[in-house]
Amino acid sequence: IVMTQSPATLSVSPGDRATLSCRTSLSVASNVAWYQQTPGQAPRLLIYDASTRATGIPVRFSGSGSGTEFTLTISSLQSEDSALYFCQHYNNWPLAFGGGTKVEIK
Amino acid sequence: EVQLLQSGGGLVQPGGSLRLSCAASGFSVSSTAMSWVRQAPGKGPEWVASLFSNGVNTQYPDSVRGRFTISRDNSNNTLYLQMDSLRVEDAALYYCARGLCSGPFCNSGRGMDVWGQGTTVTVSS
Repeated sequence: IVMTQSPATLSVSPGDRATLSCRTSLSVASNVAWYQQTPGQAPRLLIYDASTRATGIPVRFSGSGSGTEFTLTISSLQSEDSALYFCQHYNNWPLAFGGGTKVEIK
Repeated sequence: EVQLLQSGGGLVQPGGSLRLSCAASGFSVSSTAMSWVRQAPGKGPEWVASLFSNGVNTQYPDSVRGRFTISRDNSNNTLYLQMDSLRVEDAALYYCARGLCSGPFCNSGRGMDVWGQGTTVTVSS
C-alpha cells in the first residue's frame, strides 16, 4: 500500500485552518495514524483509528476519513504547530508511512 | 515515566553487523507490540520490523527480511534489532517505538505512541 500525502508544503497564517491530505493506494478501513515531527525529535502520535486523538493531544487537531482518503485538520494553527506531519497505515503488512507534509507558519 | 532509551548504532562497513538496543522504563516490553522505524535524512519514516506482544511473531518488510532480526529480553525490559549484511541504503536514524495496544494480544498496535530518541546508523567503507 502506497501512502501519498499532499500538499508537500502548506503555509498557513496563525489562527487559520490547516488541512492535510493522505491517500492510500488500497483501502485501509480506518486503520490510519497521524504523527507530528519537529526538527531533531522523534515522531509524536496525534491521531489513531483515523479520528481518535491520542492522549494529551489538543482538540484543535482532528482526523477524518476512511477507506482510501484521510484528512488531518488543525483548526486554529498555533506557532508550535510548525512541523512535519506523517500519516501511517496499520491495516496489514507491510506497515507504511506517507512522505509527509511540512506545515509552515505564514 | 514511560520512555525508551536507545543505544548502539554507529559506523559500519557494508556487509557488517550492528545491534541496536532499546531499554524501556515505565512499562513492560513483554506486554505490548514493539517496532523499529528508520528515517533517512529528508525522508519520511520507513517501518523496519515489528515484534508482536506474544514475543514470538515478527514481521519485516522485504527490504530487510532475512538480514534484520527483532527480539526482546523481558528480564532486561529491552528490545533489540540485530542488523546483519548491512547495505549503504540501510543508513538512517533508527527509532524504536511502542505499539498502541489494547487487549492481551497485539501485532503492530493502532499507531506508535512512545518513541525512543533515535540512534544513527552509518554504512560506509
